[in-house]
Amino acid sequence: GQSLEQPSEVTAVEGAIVQINCTYQTSGFYGLSWYQQHDGGAPTFLSYNALDGLEETGRFSSFLSRSDSYGYLLLQELQMKDSASYFCATRSNDYKLSFGAGTTVTVRA
Amino acid sequence: DAGVTQSPTHLIKTRGQQVTLRCSPKSGHDTVSWYQQALGQGPQFIFQYYEEEERQRGNFPDRFSGHQFPNYSSELNVNALLLGDSALYLCASSFGQGGYGYTFGSGTRLTVV
Repeated sequence: GQSLEQPSEVTAVEGAIVQINCTYQTSGFYGLSWYQQHDGGAPTFLSYNALDGLEETGRFSSFLSRSDSYGYLLLQELQMKDSASYFCATRSNDYKLSFGAGTTVTVRA
Repeated sequence: DAGVTQSPTHLIKTRGQQVTLRCSPKSGHDTVSWYQQALGQGPQFIFQYYEEEERQRGNFPDRFSGHQFPNYSSELNVNALLLGDSALYLCASSFGQGGYGYTFGSGTRLTVV
């Protein structure tokens, strides 16, 4: 089965940097994804790491270490619109996408 | 370019009833996955449809069933509704089973009373 752990809440001020960690236990690991979900909205795909290392997409970066079963999402230059829930998700080799419980990021002025 | 469309957006049903939720995938996508998201939780995988067949299934009872049509749209059916089935039901589409950047719809909020 799949198991993912991520912090439940993070609070930071505008302009700050936030790192959301994710540790996972999974069989047939095929990659780690990150999704953003605003209240009541559709989860939106942010990034995907299949190999170890850092992937950068604008203000957001994602990192993966397969040997440590660990990854993180880095949010830089925080803006109020970044207040949302962030989910890590593992994709297994049987095509299932399993999500963590989510991290609520609150950005304060 | 239309994204994933789900209907209805909200639904209230009584225990024991049956419900059908609908999903139209993003243009160009041929694979549809359904997820259940309880309040404050991450989405839980229900099943995935590809080439009109259920390919993978999560830990959900047989009361949950689905269908995929030749135009790739999909339905999720839930029979004998329980209070615990109250949740946001999300549909996600991708191109091929091996996609990783799923496109999600805004979901159907189901309330069972």
